[in-house]
Amino acid sequence: ILNVEQSPQSLHVQEGDSTNFTCSFPSSNFYALHWYRWETAKSPEALFVMTLNGDEKKKGRISATLNTKEGYSYLYIKGSQPEDSATYLCAFGDQGAQKLVFGQGTRLTINP
Amino acid sequence: SAVISQKPSRDICQRGTSLTIQCQVDSQVTMMFWYRQQPGQSLTLIATANQGSEATYESGFVIDKFPISRPNLTFSTLTVSNMSPEDSSIYLCSVVSRVSATEAFFGQGTRLTVV
Repeated sequence: ILNVEQSPQSLHVQEGDSTNFTCSFPSSNFYALHWYRWETAKSPEALFVMTLNGDEKKKGRISATLNTKEGYSYLYIKGSQPEDSATYLCAFGDQGAQKLVFGQGTRLTINP
Repeated sequence: SAVISQKPSRDICQRGTSLTIQCQVDSQVTMMFWYRQQPGQSLTLIATANQGSEATYESGFVIDKFPISRPNLTFSTLTVSNMSPEDSSIYLCSVVSRVSATEAFFGQGTRLTVV
């Protein structure tokens, strides 16, 4: 059974502060690591799809890094804003599969 | 990208009844995926819906409880049968990008409460 763990499960951050959270995943048979943002009553939205060890991707104030050898990825948010409040999901895709295994998510709340 | 329309967005159902959730995609896709997120748990794959063949169920999920239809390449339904309070979850349908074969697109989700 593939195990994808995210930590922390929830996080409260003051507006303007920066934050980060972690996704750990199996280091064997790696194909891709996904990050999604899921706001209440909306569809999960893809942030990043990362495939290469050492990959770093950035979208505005949000960035992510990937270490496939040790099986972890970090998501960083710089200068948090209230609209960043959401659940952030990571998902692991293994070789040859189109199925994704999701972590439990990190619920982020930005306090104004 | 793919746009997926999922309905209903939420429902409150009596135990022992069944609910059918529909997903309509704006493009033809080979596989559609159905997920469930129980409170405090991970988003878990229930089954993969293939057009023209039976759905493929993940361990712990059976066709009698979660029958799936896939009549064409743009539409699928998931039925939650003989519901119990443990079925209270968010249910999501999903497709994978045809271009990258990696990025997933999701419906808006169905928040089901069984009382």
